[in-house]
Amino acid sequence: EVQLVESGGGSVQSGGSLRVSCAASGFIFSDHYMDWVRQAPGKGLEWVGRIKNRANGYTTLYAASVRGRFTISRDDSMSSLYLQMDSLKTEDAAVYYCVRLTLVVERSNYYYMDVWGKGTTVTVSS
Amino acid sequence: QAVVTQEPSLTVSPGGTVTLTCGSSTGTVTSGHYPYWFQQRPGQAPRTLIYATSSKHSWTPARFSGSLLGGYAALTLSGAQPEDEAEYYCLLSYSGVYVFGTGTKVTVL
Repeated sequence: EVQLVESGGGSVQSGGSLRVSCAASGFIFSDHYMDWVRQAPGKGLEWVGRIKNRANGYTTLYAASVRGRFTISRDDSMSSLYLQMDSLKTEDAAVYYCVRLTLVVERSNYYYMDVWGKGTTVTVSS
Repeated sequence: QAVVTQEPSLTVSPGGTVTLTCGSSTGTVTSGHYPYWFQQRPGQAPRTLIYATSSKHSWTPARFSGSLLGGYAALTLSGAQPEDEAEYYCLLSYSGVYVFGTGTKVTVL
């Protein structure tokens, strides 16, 4: 069964750091791109960023709101995805979801979001 | 950053049809935005319903369909079921940056 399980959420003070993780199972992790998406309490979804696979140089992309503060990494040998969050702000408080992307082979190949984890909660206090 | 807009709420009768739309502040939504639609039931994680405008996942019920309509991405639900009551989000790609829509709460009543 394909599974994504986030962990590492918790409470941190504004200006602090936290690393959340996503453990993948049931598929060949190294083949896939991976995203982080977050949802503040009572709010909508916000795309945080992406890390591509080894074949695409482990390239990372970030939303403007987190660029320079958050770092996405992965360990293919551990089938794990990470989100290092530094200089946290109160507005970073959210449920953080990891999302798998799978390659679609058509006229123009692309990756699409297919499987979501259940999320881990990050609280940032002032 | 682009703003992606959706209707805040829509109501549909059981068995009825409803269309949700997704607009971009930058102009017409095209297939190049690779429009997605996600469903999020209360207390649950989102799940992908539609990607690349109209492609469905294996778990997407046949009553959901995606399209481009009058400059918008659209999600049509035909034959609404009580379990379709949820929040629906679209997502557009802007050259490697992704922006979610504001979300539409669909009530089946």
